Amino acid sequence: LAKITQPISMDSYEGQEVNITCSHNNIATNDYITWYQQFPSQGPRFIIQGYKTKVTNEVASLFIPADRKSSTLSLPRVSLSDTAVYYCLVVPISGGSYIPTFGRGTSLIVHP
Amino acid sequence: EPEVTQTPSHQVTQMGQEVILRCVPISNHLYFYWYRQILGQKVEFLVSFYNNEISEKSEIFDDQFSVERPDGSNFTLKIRSTKLEDSAMYFCASMGTRAEAFFGQGTRLTVV
Repeated sequence: LAKITQPISMDSYEGQEVNITCSHNNIATNDYITWYQQFPSQGPRFIIQGYKTKVTNEVASLFIPADRKSSTLSLPRVSLSDTAVYYCLVVPISGGSYIPTFGRGTSLIVHP
Repeated sequence: EPEVTQTPSHQVTQMGQEVILRCVPISNHLYFYWYRQILGQKVEFLVSFYNNEISEKSEIFDDQFSVERPDGSNFTLKIRSTKLEDSAMYFCASMGTRAEAFFGQGTRLTVV
């Protein structure tokens, strides 16, 4: 399994862009990078997924450099409701092994 | 949007009792998972289920635990002889052919 490193916590203010970077140095060729969001007492919610380059959806953007050893989740113009824990996952899709494995995540606090 | 449904949302049980946590995964998904999250800690993988059998399990998933897919829709986690330390949020998740897991809202299990 790829070893994941991401900041334990981040603070931001409403309206700012937030970038959370995740390191996954030993990512394998068939691994996807996936980000989840979790609010207290709720299940993790899928935000975005990518393999390489840039992916954008209505919620966030995901930047993945060519070597894929890191990725950056970008949340544009955050609001108070974006306060949550954000998890970077590397999901192996090979040999039928599909196990999303969570680390500590990054606790984002958005201030007024 | 399709969703994973878990019942009950909250269960209180006495130590030593058996509990069954229920989940209805998304209908066309192939992979099913149970996770738990002790208050303030990370989301921990328990077990994955594919093709009507356990495909992976963690060291947490000992003989006290079992999973079943009794029919085409339900996916259950049974915890025998509950202990105080089993108190946690339990999340069910399902995944289709893409590396995107959908999580339920969880069952909060309180063992007293």
